[in-house]
Amino acid sequence: KQEVTQIPAALSVPEGENLVLNCSFTDSAIYNLQWFRQDPGKGLTSLLLIQSSQREQTSGRLNASLDKSSGRSTLYIAASQPGDSATYLCAVDYGGSQGNLIFGKGTKLSVKP
Amino acid sequence: EADIYQTPRYLVIGTGKKITLECSQTMGHDKMYWYQQDPGMELHLIHYSYGVNSTEKGDLSSESTVSRIRTEHFPLTLESARPSHTSQYLCATYRVEQYFGPGTRLTVT
Repeated sequence: KQEVTQIPAALSVPEGENLVLNCSFTDSAIYNLQWFRQDPGKGLTSLLLIQSSQREQTSGRLNASLDKSSGRSTLYIAASQPGDSATYLCAVDYGGSQGNLIFGKGTKLSVKP
Repeated sequence: EADIYQTPRYLVIGTGKKITLECSQTMGHDKMYWYQQDPGMELHLIHYSYGVNSTEKGDLSSESTVSRIRTEHFPLTLESARPSHTSQYLCATYRVEQYFGPGTRLTVT
């Protein structure tokens, strides 16, 4: 069964700290992997998309890496801010062009001022 | 920037009522999805469509139904709402990556 696991489930850090969120998946034959952010009661906002042929993607203070052989992806957030507080979800696309993603349960991040 | 619209954004309705949650998109994406998410919990796929006249049930059994008569429109209907249907419903499209709408928060009293 294809599963996506995110560790930790929750994380609290002081403002300014660099942090890493982890995502692991059981089947390495992925098409691509997406990282999303979700604020309470809102929809999901796509942060980064990593295609299977890529090793990492960067957007501002965010950097996502992909290691298919070990079944892992990490989301690195530099110089965290209180506005980064949200739930971060990892989703793996195994289906080629079908778009049926498998989501992790998310990591709830709290950045304290 | 994805343009996906969901209406209503919030709905409080009594048990037994028929409701339709609207989802529309302007990007011309063929693939569309409905997810159900309880507060603080994981996403569950309840319906998806690969194009006009195509609908499939997702991983989570749902009493809702969907239709896809036009590419841009993917409504979800509950024939008889129950308190167990209280949840957030998220619509999404897909082309290379998934794009999400803002969600509808449904409360059935």
